[in-house]
Amino acid sequence: DIQVTQSPASLSASVGDRVTITCRANQNIYNYISWFQQRPGKVPKLLIFFASRLQEGVPSRFSGSGSETDYTLTINSLQPDDFATYFCLQTYNTPWTFGQGTRIDIK
Amino acid sequence: QITLRESGPTLVKPTQTLTLTCTFSGFSLTTSRVGVAWIRQPPGKALEWLALVYWDDDKHYSPSLKNRVTITKDTSTNQVVLTLTNVDPVDTAAYYCAKGNRIDALNDWGQGILVTVSS
Repeated sequence: DIQVTQSPASLSASVGDRVTITCRANQNIYNYISWFQQRPGKVPKLLIFFASRLQEGVPSRFSGSGSETDYTLTINSLQPDDFATYFCLQTYNTPWTFGQGTRIDIK
Repeated sequence: QITLRESGPTLVKPTQTLTLTCTFSGFSLTTSRVGVAWIRQPPGKALEWLALVYWDDDKHYSPSLKNRVTITKDTSTNQVVLTLTNVDPVDTAAYYCAKGNRIDALNDWGQGILVTVSS
């Protein structure tokens, strides 16, 4: 199975900050990684797929990058709606595996 | 418009079999590359992928559940069914179904159903 390590587990930030979250796989996953946002009590929402493709309707302040084993979600100019938990998901091989999540709260 | 909706029991007893149904609309599970997956999330914890079925009936399971979980599709009723046998309190979670594939990931989700395993 492919293991995905997401970091940090949590972070505090202010509105307007730039935030970076990282997922590292234990083998090359060839860009088969996606990123989700989940607000408390809500359904996960797809933000980025195939490492860097922005899902339709997602604000452009969200971006994804990376290659091989290391991938990053960046949120430019954090907005109040962005305080949530973020998960990565590798879909290169089954079993698909999620990262453990990163919670962003207000500093 | 694509919609998915999970249904089933919200309370099951330990050792029983849990059967959840995902009823969808707005897409077809006969279309190439389309898949439907089940994911769960224990309260306050991370997401866990459980199973996936593709349009061609190719099926994949989480190894941690492989002996207990089954996924089936019915294209005539637009439903995907997840069966989990011999449930335990650790199976208490919100269960979601979602449409997706390797490249598009999980791009449409149901609202989820909270299942509690307790005697």
